[in-house]
Order: sequence, then C-alpha cells, then structure tokens
Amino acid sequence: KNEVEQSPQNLTAQEGEFITINCSYSVGISALHWLQQHPGGGIVSLFMLSSGKKKHGRLIATINIQEKHSSLHITASHPRDSAVYICAVVRDSNYQLIWGAGTKLIIKP
Amino acid sequence: DAGVIQSPRHEVTEMGQEVTLRCKPISGHNSLFWYRQTMMRGLELLIYFNNNVPIDDSGMPEDRFSAKMPNASFSTLKIQPSEPRDSAVYFCASSSPTLEIYNEQFFGPGTRLTVL
Repeated sequence: KNEVEQSPQNLTAQEGEFITINCSYSVGISALHWLQQHPGGGIVSLFMLSSGKKKHGRLIATINIQEKHSSLHITASHPRDSAVYICAVVRDSNYQLIWGAGTKLIIKP
Repeated sequence: DAGVIQSPRHEVTEMGQEVTLRCKPISGHNSLFWYRQTMMRGLELLIYFNNNVPIDDSGMPEDRFSAKMPNASFSTLKIQPSEPRDSAVYFCASSSPTLEIYNEQFFGPGTRLTVL
C-alpha cells in the first residue's frame, strides 16, 4: 500500500462545480504540501499545511492530523483550473518527502 | 522577483553525452531541491541542498548523476554519461530560510531532457 494515497485519480466536472480532491497518508508527518502541475508541465506550490485550514482565492486546503487526511477544495471551478493536483507529505522522522500519484482534473466549459 | 530560473528549457542529446542542467534559485532562499519527473515514477526528489551543502542525496539514481551548488545563487545537475532512461523533466525548486527543512517550495519551469 502506498504511503500517500490520492483520490480520485481522474476527475472531470463542469465549470462552476465545487471540487474536492482527497489525500490520505499512513506515516507521521510534519507537513503536507498541495501542488498544481499545469498541462505545460510547470509546478506551482499551492499550500503547505501542518494543521487546520488555509484559503487562497477559490482554493481551500484542510488537514486532519488525527485522521491522517487532507482535502483540497476548489469553489466555482473554471476551465483554467484543469491540471494535475499533487499531494506530498514530509515524513516527520527523517524529513523525507513522499509524493502522491496526483489527481488529474478537467473542468469543462 | 523572476522566480526560480532553469536552463536549458529543452535538451536533446545522444546517449553517452554529458548533460548539464542549471538552476538559479530565488534570491534569499537557502534551500534548493532537484526533482525528476517521469510518467512511470512520477516526481522524485534527487537531492537537496541547505546553505549550499548537500543534505540528502539518497534520491540520486546512480554515480552517473552529480549535483553541485558552488554558491547561493547557482546549482548544476550533471549526467555523465547520459542514457535514454534518463529522459525526463527535471525540476529545480527553492525555499526560504526557516527552521523546517521543507518549507513551501517554489518550482522552476523544468528542463525537458531527451536522450536518444
């Protein structure tokens, strides 16, 4: 079993829909990253979380340390949100960065 | 700030040739990371530097790969000799100084390497 699991692997939605991408992990962590990779390949760091919730524009990230789970939400989704969203955790024992497989999101106009 | 700068953006070379990828981190950032992305393995951390010193190079695939950071504003990743299986996108990222080793990372645009 992978130490970081993302779901769904693929998600297609209509413009305007509320999007949720989930990340579960099985190791102790000191932080969790959400990253966005555009179709052209560039990677953008969206959030780094160690507890609670962060919001940036239409993006919201939450983390529940007890349940070892994080979610990334997109409100009022737009075709430009189409990208691969990657969850990565920092293992607290050795600072190793463990990556999820990514969620490919397509927003149709 | 221009962000993390990588060069070249694309590199096509023949098997056996030496390849050098370059990275300029964001000014003031003291941690620098090299990643490799392939379809098969996703994103892999190859090596990271803190204050120009390599801290963890356990992700470097083999002796053909080497990385240097001679000063705070420049790093190279070298592959010698290159092989077709090295074809990938190589990302450089930097982060600002904190007590945490992994702070929020800022990624460069990547170098797409093709080894024929």
